[in-house]
Amino acid sequence: NAGVTQTPKFRILKIGQSMTLQCTQDMNHNYMYWYRQDPGMGLKLIYYSVGAGITDKGEVPNGYNVSRSTTEDFPLRLELAAPSQTSVYFCASSYTGEKLFFGSGTQLSVL
Amino acid sequence: GDSVTQMEGPVTLSEEAFLTINCTYTATGYPSLFWYVQYPGEGLQLLLKATKADDKGSNKGFEATYRKETTSFHLEKGSVQVSDSAVYFCALSDSSGGSGTYKYIFGTGTRLKVLA
Repeated sequence: NAGVTQTPKFRILKIGQSMTLQCTQDMNHNYMYWYRQDPGMGLKLIYYSVGAGITDKGEVPNGYNVSRSTTEDFPLRLELAAPSQTSVYFCASSYTGEKLFFGSGTQLSVL
Repeated sequence: GDSVTQMEGPVTLSEEAFLTINCTYTATGYPSLFWYVQYPGEGLQLLLKATKADDKGSNKGFEATYRKETTSFHLEKGSVQVSDSAVYFCALSDSSGGSGTYKYIFGTGTRLKVLA
């Protein structure tokens, strides 16, 4: 059982470049989330979705966009990368909205 | 707003030592409380949870009791192993906003290192 799969695992971007972080889950979960993890700062919610076609902003949405065209996929888009977006990004999913299942993360550096 | 505060690390212990990682919370509603663990190079995974006051969550020898009177959810283990070395996150989940969506708040994480 694959669970939550994130790609890529590592990426280096130049300032102003764009990229999409991929996230897919095979558990038929309605709830999906994107978090960023900065050193000593815990996890901050970027965007979340309660089902296909429905997305909403979290605590730190600026500089990011998401879409949810299917139950399985929840990609995160960075349009104009900035050094402040250097972080580790985690995708998570949930069936009930309580217990979260996390992917293994994407380490992103913007130089 | 809701918040979670946990003790700063790193915490370094010898194998078989007793572990306590403190966690306190503030919440306007009636949250569920969680401990998640993150092993090196991996995502977070649920360790244990408690959904109401006085509930005790337990898993893999770890325990935490939901104390409403002290707004705490401290993580304990009687005898740690080298394999317990990881980062531990306290979190709360609150659906009291009325939207039906659970709002998760995470603490900053506590790194535990267990020496053989």
